[in-house]
Amino acid sequence: DAGVIQSPRHEVTEMGQEVTLRCKPISGHDYLFWYRQTMMRGLELLIYFNNNVPIDDSGMPEDRFSAKMPNASFSTLKIQPSEPRDSAVYFCASNLGGRGFSGANVLTFGAGSRLTVL
Amino acid sequence: EDKVVQSPLSLVVHEGDTVTLNCSYEVTNFRSLLWYKQEKKAPTFLFMLTSSGIEKKSGRLSSILDKKELFSILNITATQTGDSAVYLCAVPPQGGSEKLVFGKGTKLTVNP
Repeated sequence: DAGVIQSPRHEVTEMGQEVTLRCKPISGHDYLFWYRQTMMRGLELLIYFNNNVPIDDSGMPEDRFSAKMPNASFSTLKIQPSEPRDSAVYFCASNLGGRGFSGANVLTFGAGSRLTVL
Repeated sequence: EDKVVQSPLSLVVHEGDTVTLNCSYEVTNFRSLLWYKQEKKAPTFLFMLTSSGIEKKSGRLSSILDKKELFSILNITATQTGDSAVYLCAVPPQGGSEKLVFGKGTKLTVNP
């Protein structure tokens, strides 16, 4: 398996522009997570999906952020309009979910998308 | 609110030293605690500790869980430069959801 695949790996954009980050989870994993990592705040959960349905979006900072999962193999995180404080590394992760307790919470992360908003 | 606190925030040692990283947590309905290692890219899974498995070992790395005192430690013996990374601790929050709450991590630097 190729693991969790994210694109783009790096994005530099100007304030006010729309940014779209993409993620392909591991095949067969039915949970998908979007995390953001900064030096100040560490790894923060933005939103997660189960079977393509958003379960918890309480971490989404504001209306400028939106996430979709149109099918089991693809998700997007969109920021519109982007601001300099959105600069961070955005990680997508997936896991198998609660099919028995052992290993249920072991997330597998993608390589991340480093976003810089000027 | 569920909380995970790691200490120290950073640590610099020489090759061959032994290090102990700390993780304390506040979460109701404890299920498990996970350790991850993050080098330049994505966090990678190291250990999961549960009520039924309070000690894990893999090579030079080992971890224990103290459910009474609500903390875990990660030990690395005979450190090598390849151990340099950020080590993250995480717990699922109350309610048994699938998500993980992460600490801010300990940045370990191992100098030759």
